[in-house]
Amino acid sequence: QLQLQESGPGLVKPSETLSLTCTVSGGSIRSSSYYWGWIRQPPGKGLEWIGTIYYSGSTYDNPSLKSRVTISVDTSKNQFSLRLSSVTAADTAVYYCARRQGGYPAPFDPWGQGTLVTVSS
Amino acid sequence: QSALTQPASVSGSPGQSITISCTGTSSDVGGYNYVSWYQQHPGKAPKLMIYDVSNRPSGVSNRFSGSKSVNTASLTISGLQAEDEADYYCSSYTSSNTRVFGGGTKLTVL
Repeated sequence: QLQLQESGPGLVKPSETLSLTCTVSGGSIRSSSYYWGWIRQPPGKGLEWIGTIYYSGSTYDNPSLKSRVTISVDTSKNQFSLRLSSVTAADTAVYYCARRQGGYPAPFDPWGQGTLVTVSS
Repeated sequence: QSALTQPASVSGSPGQSITISCTGTSSDVGGYNYVSWYQQHPGKAPKLMIYDVSNRPSGVSNRFSGSKSVNTASLTISGLQAEDEADYYCSSYTSSNTRVFGGGTKLTVL
């Protein structure tokens, strides 16, 4: 059974870079059948898609994040990562990683349990 | 890209049916049959309940159903049960090759 687990610092200072990793177990990130994504949820608010990556390194991200996002993949470790630069308090959120089927705009399923990142000095 | 529009809250009694709407534009909901619905209980990750407008993943109760008309998608839950109380989010593929979510709807089972 596929499992995804987010990891990274729970506290980041304003203007610094948020870095998170998603470790995939029970399946290969190198599969040509799937894409891998990041979604976040500010406390008490709705979901926001951040971006998606294919094992080859091709990425698609949310234009509203104004090029602050970098998503990368490490197939040797079965992991993919998120970097979000120049963070502010508005980036405080639970960050989820998830998988989606390839071949068409499939939904994200399953999701990791999420990790809370707080931006504060 | 603007978030899809959902009612902030809906409620119903056990055994009743409720419908949650999700309104977008011709660039997202209306343009593609790629609308999905997620259920989220407090402190938990979202769970996929409906995909491609009206398809149910394996293991999801047939009390959950989805539909779409023009720019509005809908999630209907029939035979409401206490365990259905949760937040529900819609999501759509967009013409910009991005994903957009709704603001979420809190379902209260009275």
